[in-house]
Amino acid sequence: AQSVTQLGSHVSVSEGALVLLRCNYSSSVPPYLFWYVQYPNQGLQLLLKYTTGATLVKGINGFEAEFKKSETSFHLTKPSAHMSDAAEYFCAVSTAQRGATNKLIFGTGTLLAVQP
Amino acid sequence: GAGVSQSPSNKVTEKGKDVELRCDPISGHTALYWYRQSLGQGLEFLIYFQGNSAPDKSGLPSDRFSAERTGGSVSTLKIQRTQQEDSAVYLCASSLAASGGARETQYFGPGTRLLVL
Repeated sequence: AQSVTQLGSHVSVSEGALVLLRCNYSSSVPPYLFWYVQYPNQGLQLLLKYTTGATLVKGINGFEAEFKKSETSFHLTKPSAHMSDAAEYFCAVSTAQRGATNKLIFGTGTLLAVQP
Repeated sequence: GAGVSQSPSNKVTEKGKDVELRCDPISGHTALYWYRQSLGQGLEFLIYFQGNSAPDKSGLPSDRFSAERTGGSVSTLKIQRTQQEDSAVYLCASSLAASGGARETQYFGPGTRLLVL
Protein backbone atom coordinates (compact mmCIF):
# COMPACT_ATOMS: atom_id res chain seq x y z
CA ALA A 1 0.00 0.00 0.00
CA GLN A 2 1.11 3.53 -0.68
CA SER A 3 1.18 6.38 1.78
CA VAL A 4 2.47 9.92 2.11
CA THR A 5 3.66 11.71 5.22
CA GLN A 6 4.01 15.46 5.36
CA LEU A 7 5.97 16.63 8.37
CA GLY A 8 4.63 19.87 9.79
CA SER A 9 1.00 20.74 9.34
CA HIS A 10 1.88 24.42 9.69
CA VAL A 11 5.03 26.15 8.48
CA SER A 12 5.74 29.85 8.85
CA VAL A 13 8.53 31.70 7.05
CA SER A 14 9.47 35.31 6.53
CA GLU A 15 9.13 36.92 3.15
CA GLY A 16 12.36 36.31 1.25
CA ALA A 17 13.35 33.28 3.32
CA LEU A 18 13.80 29.72 2.11
CA VAL A 19 10.69 27.57 1.92
CA LEU A 20 11.11 23.87 2.74
CA LEU A 21 8.08 21.60 2.90
CA ARG A 22 8.79 17.98 3.71
CA CYS A 23 7.24 14.92 2.11
CA ASN A 24 8.09 11.26 2.61
CA TYR A 25 6.37 8.45 0.78
CA SER A 26 5.95 4.73 1.06
CA SER A 27 5.50 2.63 -2.05
CA SER A 28 6.35 -0.95 -2.99
CA VAL A 29 6.68 0.00 -6.65
CA PRO A 30 8.35 2.99 -8.33
CA PRO A 31 6.26 6.02 -7.43
CA TYR A 32 5.02 8.98 -9.32
CA LEU A 33 5.13 12.01 -7.03
CA PHE A 34 3.22 15.26 -7.15
CA TRP A 35 2.98 18.54 -5.29
CA TYR A 36 -0.28 20.45 -5.46
CA VAL A 37 -1.14 23.87 -4.02
CA GLN A 38 -4.56 24.93 -2.80
CA TYR A 39 -5.49 28.56 -2.28
CA PRO A 40 -8.49 29.39 -0.06
CA ASN A 41 -11.80 28.26 -1.53
CA GLN A 42 -10.16 26.94 -4.67
CA GLY A 43 -9.33 23.55 -6.12
CA LEU A 44 -5.88 22.02 -6.30
CA GLN A 45 -3.30 23.27 -8.78
CA LEU A 46 -0.30 21.21 -9.83
CA LEU A 47 3.05 22.74 -8.86
CA LEU A 48 5.29 19.97 -10.20
CA LYS A 49 5.59 16.23 -10.62
CA TYR A 50 8.19 13.50 -10.83
CA THR A 51 7.57 10.51 -13.06
CA THR A 52 10.89 9.30 -14.43
CA GLY A 53 14.23 10.77 -15.45
CA ALA A 54 15.86 13.75 -13.76
CA THR A 55 15.32 13.63 -10.03
CA LEU A 56 15.35 17.42 -9.58
CA VAL A 57 12.07 18.73 -10.85
CA LYS A 58 11.26 22.37 -11.43
CA GLY A 59 7.74 23.65 -11.27
CA ILE A 60 5.71 26.80 -11.43
CA ASN A 61 6.19 29.88 -9.28
CA GLY A 62 9.85 29.11 -8.60
CA PHE A 63 9.26 25.87 -6.72
CA GLU A 64 11.33 22.73 -7.15
CA ALA A 65 11.53 19.30 -5.57
CA GLU A 66 14.08 16.51 -5.55
CA PHE A 67 13.19 12.83 -5.64
CA LYS A 68 15.52 10.90 -3.33
CA LYS A 69 14.82 7.21 -3.55
CA SER A 70 17.26 6.28 -0.78
CA GLU A 71 15.45 8.61 1.60
CA THR A 72 11.96 8.01 0.15
CA SER A 73 11.55 11.76 0.10
CA PHE A 74 10.24 14.43 -2.25
CA HIS A 75 10.71 17.70 -0.39
CA LEU A 76 9.47 20.95 -1.90
CA THR A 77 11.67 24.05 -1.84
CA LYS A 78 11.68 27.65 -2.98
CA PRO A 79 14.70 29.90 -2.43
CA SER A 80 12.76 33.04 -1.56
CA ALA A 81 9.20 33.14 -0.25
CA HIS A 82 6.64 35.62 -1.51
CA MET A 83 3.49 36.70 0.28
CA SER A 84 1.52 35.13 -2.56
CA ASP A 85 2.94 31.69 -1.65
CA ALA A 86 0.72 31.52 1.43
CA ALA A 87 -1.51 28.51 0.78
CA GLU A 88 -1.90 24.85 1.63
CA TYR A 89 0.45 22.40 -0.05
CA PHE A 90 -0.26 18.73 -0.65
CA CYS A 91 2.17 16.00 -1.58
CA ALA A 92 0.69 13.02 -3.40
CA VAL A 93 1.80 9.65 -4.77
CA SER A 94 0.55 7.44 -7.55
CA THR A 95 2.04 4.45 -9.34
CA ALA A 96 2.21 2.87 -12.74
CA GLN A 97 1.08 -0.48 -11.38
CA ARG A 98 -0.65 -2.27 -14.23
CA GLY A 99 -4.35 -2.62 -13.69
CA ALA A 100 -4.39 -0.24 -10.74
CA THR A 101 -6.49 2.87 -10.61
CA ASN A 102 -4.43 5.96 -11.20
CA LYS A 103 -5.70 7.56 -8.04
CA LEU A 104 -3.66 9.99 -6.01
CA ILE A 105 -2.86 9.25 -2.38
CA PHE A 106 -2.46 12.55 -0.59
CA GLY A 107 -0.60 13.64 2.48
CA THR A 108 -2.41 15.61 5.14
CA GLY A 109 -1.18 18.93 3.80
CA THR A 110 1.07 21.74 5.05
CA LEU A 111 -0.32 25.20 5.58
CA LEU A 112 2.34 27.74 4.66
CA ALA A 113 2.21 31.20 6.20
CA VAL A 114 4.48 33.98 4.93
CA GLN A 115 5.22 36.79 7.33
CA PRO A 116 6.09 40.28 6.04
CA GLY B 1 -9.15 26.52 -22.48
CA ALA B 2 -11.88 25.80 -19.99
CA GLY B 3 -10.93 23.88 -16.89
CA VAL B 4 -12.89 21.42 -14.81
CA SER B 5 -16.15 22.93 -13.60
CA GLN B 6 -18.35 21.81 -10.75
CA SER B 7 -21.81 22.76 -9.63
CA PRO B 8 -23.17 23.86 -7.33
CA SER B 9 -20.27 25.62 -5.65
CA ASN B 10 -22.06 25.41 -2.31
CA LYS B 11 -24.88 23.18 -1.11
CA VAL B 12 -26.65 23.25 2.22
CA THR B 13 -29.06 20.43 2.91
CA GLU B 14 -30.88 18.83 5.77
CA LYS B 15 -29.98 15.48 7.20
CA GLY B 16 -31.77 12.70 5.36
CA LYS B 17 -32.15 14.55 2.07
CA ASP B 18 -30.56 13.44 -1.22
CA VAL B 19 -28.08 15.61 -3.10
CA GLU B 20 -26.50 15.55 -6.55
CA LEU B 21 -23.16 17.12 -7.41
CA ARG B 22 -22.10 17.72 -10.98
CA CYS B 23 -18.71 17.70 -12.66
CA ASP B 24 -17.83 18.82 -16.19
CA PRO B 25 -14.33 17.59 -17.05
CA ILE B 26 -11.91 19.15 -19.49
CA SER B 27 -12.94 18.31 -23.04
CA GLY B 28 -11.09 15.26 -24.33
CA HIS B 29 -10.09 13.95 -20.91
CA THR B 30 -11.04 10.31 -20.64
CA ALA B 31 -10.28 9.84 -16.94
CA LEU B 32 -12.43 11.38 -14.22
CA TYR B 33 -11.99 11.19 -10.47
CA TRP B 34 -13.99 12.23 -7.43
CA TYR B 35 -12.23 13.04 -4.16
CA ARG B 36 -13.53 14.25 -0.83
CA GLN B 37 -11.77 16.77 1.37
CA SER B 38 -12.82 16.92 5.00
CA LEU B 39 -11.25 18.10 8.23
CA GLY B 40 -11.12 14.68 9.78
CA GLN B 41 -10.08 12.61 6.78
CA GLY B 42 -8.04 14.94 4.58
CA LEU B 43 -8.16 14.31 0.84
CA GLU B 44 -9.50 10.88 0.00
CA PHE B 45 -10.28 9.12 -3.27
CA LEU B 46 -13.90 8.19 -3.91
CA ILE B 47 -14.37 6.88 -7.45
CA TYR B 48 -12.60 6.71 -10.82
CA PHE B 49 -13.99 6.53 -14.35
CA GLN B 50 -11.81 5.66 -17.34
CA GLY B 51 -13.41 5.61 -20.76
CA ASN B 52 -15.90 2.79 -21.13
CA SER B 53 -14.32 0.63 -18.44
CA ALA B 54 -16.16 -0.28 -15.26
CA PRO B 55 -15.55 2.43 -12.68
CA ASP B 56 -13.39 1.85 -9.63
CA LYS B 57 -15.78 2.47 -6.75
CA SER B 58 -13.44 1.25 -4.03
CA GLY B 59 -13.28 4.62 -2.28
CA LEU B 60 -16.99 5.18 -1.82
CA PRO B 61 -17.60 5.26 1.95
CA SER B 62 -21.06 3.66 1.94
CA ASP B 63 -23.84 2.47 -0.35
CA ARG B 64 -25.49 5.86 0.06
CA PHE B 65 -22.90 7.16 -2.37
CA SER B 66 -23.07 6.52 -6.10
CA ALA B 67 -21.78 8.15 -9.24
CA GLU B 68 -22.31 7.93 -12.94
CA ARG B 69 -20.68 9.33 -16.01
CA THR B 70 -22.87 9.82 -19.02
CA GLY B 71 -21.51 9.82 -22.54
CA GLY B 72 -17.97 9.71 -21.25
CA SER B 73 -18.13 13.33 -20.18
CA VAL B 74 -20.26 14.83 -17.41
CA SER B 75 -20.33 13.02 -14.09
CA THR B 76 -22.81 13.18 -11.24
CA LEU B 77 -22.06 12.16 -7.67
CA LYS B 78 -25.17 11.27 -5.71
CA ILE B 79 -25.49 11.05 -1.95
CA GLN B 80 -28.68 9.58 -0.58
CA ARG B 81 -30.04 10.15 2.93
CA THR B 82 -27.26 12.59 3.76
CA GLN B 83 -25.64 12.50 7.17
CA GLN B 84 -23.75 15.22 9.00
CA GLU B 85 -20.48 13.35 8.47
CA ASP B 86 -20.98 13.79 4.72
CA SER B 87 -20.20 17.50 5.13
CA ALA B 88 -17.05 18.12 3.13
CA VAL B 89 -15.68 19.61 -0.06
CA TYR B 90 -16.19 17.28 -3.00
CA LEU B 91 -13.51 17.70 -5.67
CA CYS B 92 -13.61 16.43 -9.21
CA ALA B 93 -10.52 15.96 -11.36
CA SER B 94 -9.90 14.87 -14.92
CA SER B 95 -6.87 13.75 -16.87
CA LEU B 96 -5.70 12.52 -20.24
CA ALA B 97 -5.35 8.89 -19.27
CA ALA B 98 -4.36 7.50 -22.66
CA SER B 99 -1.04 5.71 -22.41
CA GLY B 100 0.31 8.05 -19.76
CA GLY B 101 -1.76 6.52 -17.05
CA ALA B 102 -0.78 7.49 -13.56
CA ARG B 103 1.87 9.94 -14.71
CA GLU B 104 -0.75 12.16 -16.28
CA THR B 105 -1.59 15.33 -14.41
CA GLN B 106 -4.97 15.42 -12.76
CA TYR B 107 -6.68 18.80 -13.16
CA PHE B 108 -9.01 19.72 -10.33
CA GLY B 109 -12.21 21.70 -10.28
CA PRO B 110 -13.00 24.28 -7.57
CA GLY B 111 -15.10 21.81 -5.59
CA THR B 112 -18.59 21.70 -4.15
CA ARG B 113 -18.85 22.58 -0.47
CA LEU B 114 -21.55 20.43 1.07
CA LEU B 115 -22.97 21.21 4.48
CA VAL B 116 -25.46 18.81 6.02
CA LEU B 117 -27.43 20.32 8.88
